[in-house]
Amino acid sequence: DIQMTQSPPSLSASVGDRVTITCRASQSVSTSLNWYQQKPGTAPQLLIYATSTLQRGVPSRFSGSGFGAIFILTISDLQPEDFATYYCQQSYTTTRTFGQGTKVEVK
Amino acid sequence: EVQLVESGGGLVQPGGSLRLSCGATRFMFSRYWMSWVRQTPGKGLEWVANIKEDGSEKYYVDSVKGRFTISRDNAKNSLYLQMNSLRVEDTAVYYCARESRSQFWSLDFWGQGTLVTVSS
Repeated sequence: DIQMTQSPPSLSASVGDRVTITCRASQSVSTSLNWYQQKPGTAPQLLIYATSTLQRGVPSRFSGSGFGAIFILTISDLQPEDFATYYCQQSYTTTRTFGQGTKVEVK
Repeated sequence: EVQLVESGGGLVQPGGSLRLSCGATRFMFSRYWMSWVRQTPGKGLEWVANIKEDGSEKYYVDSVKGRFTISRDNAKNSLYLQMNSLRVEDTAVYYCARESRSQFWSLDFWGQGTLVTVSS
């Protein structure tokens, strides 16, 4: 199975900051990389699919990039509602796998 | 809007069995792959299993192979997860989620989750 590794596991940031989260795959997943946001006590929500396409309703301050085995989620101008945990997930193989998550906390 | 509602969670002893259900409404259930994803309390997400639109293909994470069975009933718009030989480490919130073929098989809608606790 493809292993997904996120870094950092957590980060502290302030409103207005630019935040980047990295996701590495153990082998190429082409562009089949998705990002989810999860807030405490709620189900995850799809943020970005196919590396860089924003899900409907997701603000443009979120962006994704990458190809193959290295991917980046960027949040520019961090807002109070963005403090959450973010997960990457590969859908290149039918056995899907998630990264371990990155918690974005208030500095 | 699309709705997914899980049920069937609860407390079970190690070695026991449990069957989770997920009812789907407001979309053409039979046209979508579906997944189960779990989350250990305070930990990350783990994809568990998925099933093709017609049920002809099923895939599992290694840790549940031979113990869990995913199935579906398209006439009832329902997804199931039969869990046997449960272990303490299977304790988690279990989510059902829809896979979107047009969105690179991302999980575009999720249920609210159902808690499974395996403990003696």
